[in-house]
Amino acid sequence: QVQLQESGPGLVKPSETLSLTCTVSGGSIRNYYWSWIRQTPGKGLEWIGYINYSGSTNYNPSLKSRVSMSVDTSKNQFSLNLSSVTAADTAVYYCARSTSRNCDSSTCYLDWFDSWGQGTQVSVSS
Amino acid sequence: DIVMTQSPDSLAVSLGERATINCKSSQSVLYSPNNKNYLAWYQHKPGQPPKLLIYWASTRESGVPDRFSASGSGTDFTLTISSLQAEDVAIYYCQQYYTSPPSTFGQGTKLEIK
Repeated sequence: QVQLQESGPGLVKPSETLSLTCTVSGGSIRNYYWSWIRQTPGKGLEWIGYINYSGSTNYNPSLKSRVSMSVDTSKNQFSLNLSSVTAADTAVYYCARSTSRNCDSSTCYLDWFDSWGQGTQVSVSS
Repeated sequence: DIVMTQSPDSLAVSLGERATINCKSSQSVLYSPNNKNYLAWYQHKPGQPPKLLIYWASTRESGVPDRFSASGSGTDFTLTISSLQAEDVAIYYCQQYYTSPPSTFGQGTKLEIK
């Protein structure tokens, strides 16, 4: 049974970069697509982006200018960086796993999210 | 992006009674070539990660009790709990993966015991 665990600072100052890591245990990071999803009181669940084991990424256009993701297959981890944060980025951040039904030249189309981390609360405040 | 709208926002049902949650998408999530609806349902309990219940609009994930069922096609979908148990208290979300990325979720329906 795969398990996902988010880690990172719970408090980030405005204009700084939010950095989180998700550690995958009980399974390989290969053959799946790994997403970050956040939950805010105002906007509910919002998909942030995905990465796969080879480092291919796709980001939500609403956040694309501020998001970057990376993967470390040797540690079975993937990470999220969200720059220039504001109070609106205060949320519970989840990592989640999905498969892809097919890919074209630029995008892989994800299915449902079958495993999620517990989530980590990140607050943006000075 | 496809907007997912759930109703009601909250629901109180007596133990053993039926609970019904609705989800409407702003455009069809039915892919005609394979006749599949690209819709999933999740259960989210406090302090726990969201749990996948249903995918392809009506296929139960392994291990999900059969009191959970789902139906619908195109733009209108329903999640039904046939006989509410205390452990079913949670927030329930629908998700479309027809256009994924970006995938989008409903705002959630909070289910409580009456």
